[in-house]
Amino acid sequence: GQNIDQPTEMTATEGAIVQINCTYQTSGFNGLFWYQQHAGEAPTFLSYNVLDGLEEKGRFSSFLSRSKGYSYLLLKELQMKDSASYLCAVLDSNYQLIWGAGTKLIIKP
Amino acid sequence: DTAVSQTPKYLVTQMGNDKSIKCEQNLGHDTMYWYKQDSKKFLKIMFSYNNKELIINETVPNRFSPKSPDKAHLNLHINSLELGDSAVYFCASSQDGSQVTDTQYFGPGTRLTVL
Repeated sequence: GQNIDQPTEMTATEGAIVQINCTYQTSGFNGLFWYQQHAGEAPTFLSYNVLDGLEEKGRFSSFLSRSKGYSYLLLKELQMKDSASYLCAVLDSNYQLIWGAGTKLIIKP
Repeated sequence: DTAVSQTPKYLVTQMGNDKSIKCEQNLGHDTMYWYKQDSKKFLKIMFSYNNKELIINETVPNRFSPKSPDKAHLNLHINSLELGDSAVYFCASSQDGSQVTDTQYFGPGTRLTVL
């Protein structure tokens, strides 16, 4: 079966750095997405990785290792508005997007 | 301007009723999707439409039927609502469903509660 694992919840302090991990086992791989979802709102796109390595975009970076079936989202200089759920999703060999359950990130002052 | 819009935002109804959720996108995208997000926050794709053709139809009950009057709209009809249908339903669109790198843009969601 297809499986995407993320921690259920993480807590971090404002101004700090946090890394949210995602491991996947899917039938094929055509890329991995990270989305941010604030409570009661729709998911919004953060990043897309299809090649190994680190993609940096402002305060957010995303890393992928295809051989390990592993990705992480790195958030730097955390702000209170970063409190949200972060969803990992993998595009499988049929080009279907398989979603993880999301990681709820709580930012404390 | 809202890119992907859904109505209604909240829907409370009785078991056995028939209801519809509307979705419109003004992005000029070719592909639209419907997702169901359950209480555990899993997002599961239900349908996608590309130029009025159903290209993904996951194993959802046939009580659910997508209707696309034109490229900018994909409505979700649900017949004989059941308690287990209670969830948040998200509409999304992407430029071209065959381009795997295309980002999906989501609507605000419709919270359906079946009593």
